[in-house]
Amino acid sequence: GEDVEQSLFLSVREGDSSVINCTYTDSSSTYLYWYKQEPGAGLQLLTYIFSNMDMKQDQRLTVLLNKKDKHLSLRIADTQTGDSAIYLCAESGSSNTGKLIFGQGTTLQVKP
Amino acid sequence: EAEVAQSPRYKITEKSQAVAFWCDPISGHATLYWYRQILGQGPELLVQFQDESVVDDSQLPKDRFSAERLKGVDSTLKIQPAELGDSAMYLCASSLAGRPDEQFFGPGTRLTVL
Repeated sequence: GEDVEQSLFLSVREGDSSVINCTYTDSSSTYLYWYKQEPGAGLQLLTYIFSNMDMKQDQRLTVLLNKKDKHLSLRIADTQTGDSAIYLCAESGSSNTGKLIFGQGTTLQVKP
Repeated sequence: EAEVAQSPRYKITEKSQAVAFWCDPISGHATLYWYRQILGQGPELLVQFQDESVVDDSQLPKDRFSAERLKGVDSTLKIQPAELGDSAMYLCASSLAGRPDEQFFGPGTRLTVL
């Protein structure tokens, strides 16, 4: 079956790097995603990685994909207080119709 | 910048009442998705439309939930009767046809059933 797991909480100091981890089960997923969700709000697509890539960098964000271990990580460099939010990992699943399978989200707390 | 619109933003209702949520996708987006997000969990797909046709409604509780997208543009999700367990955030998303890799989400409707 399809399942995505994330740790629930991460706390870092402003200026440090944050690393949020995710494991997934469906090795046939074409895309893997990171979304950001602020309290009471919708989801903002941060970045996504195609399954044949190992790494993708976009400004302060670095995504690493280990297909062998079905492990995805999101690194945020120079974390700011405005980065405090819930970060959701998602996979596209085997159907690739658009249905996203989400993890439960990791709450990132950035302390000044 | 084009956005997905949803209304209402908040809805409080009593159990056994009917509720309806509305979504207007980004113009030109043929694919529309309704997700439900229970507090502390990730969103779960309820129904997916391609234009006016349902592509996937396997997780939609069809005894009480219905969804329509009559003209292939905006969409309505209805619950009748509402139950306590339906309290959640209902999120609408849209994407261009053939581009499920880029789904854009609306702000959601927070439903509380008393």
